[in-house]
Amino acid sequence: GENVEQHPSTLSVQEGDSAVIKCTYSDSASNYFPWYKQELGKRPQLIIDIRSNVGEKKDQRIAVTLNKTAKHFSLHITETQPEDSAVYFCAASINNNDMRFGAGTRLTVKP
Amino acid sequence: DGGITQSPKYLFRKEGQNVTLSCEQNLNHDAMYWYRQDPGQGLRLIYYSQIVNDFQKGDIAEGYSVSREKKESFPLTVTSAQKNPTAFYLCASRLLAGAVETQYFGPGTRLLVL
Repeated sequence: GENVEQHPSTLSVQEGDSAVIKCTYSDSASNYFPWYKQELGKRPQLIIDIRSNVGEKKDQRIAVTLNKTAKHFSLHITETQPEDSAVYFCAASINNNDMRFGAGTRLTVKP
Repeated sequence: DGGITQSPKYLFRKEGQNVTLSCEQNLNHDAMYWYRQDPGQGLRLIYYSQIVNDFQKGDIAEGYSVSREKKESFPLTVTSAQKNPTAFYLCASRLLAGAVETQYFGPGTRLLVL
């Protein structure tokens, strides 16, 4: 089955800097890759997703890149703000079923 | 956020007891999912259902059971066979359509063992 690895487990950046979180997956059939943001005690919220027919997607300060050949995808947050502090999860699935999640990255943005 | 509800917010289980976590959605979503979240391990899939009266096991189904008698409801029972049930349980749902649609999460239930 699918296995998703996520790095780093913790990330601390200064406000205004960029943050990059990387994930690798094992099943070449996976075609849907969402990223979720989870604040303490709250539910995960989708922030961006990418499908396997696209190499990059951007939404304001957030971007995701996908390298199908290498089976890895990354989340890029530019101009970070303190409210970006949260745990971020990547995931991989085939058609959004049987989703496999990474272990999460705790991002801290220092003012 | 709205449309998927989970209850209770906190649940306490005594040893040997079965407990049931509720998940309801009014989004007319076809598929529903149950995940377990432990610290440092991300989310793991317990069960999912794409249609009424049908469901599939995820990675960690042992010690859990589900039912899908109505489209809106997907309750999860944590049985006494689950020896380490303390965790945060999240329910999710999504629409099955031609395009791949997002899973939306409920607010979660935190289960604690007395």
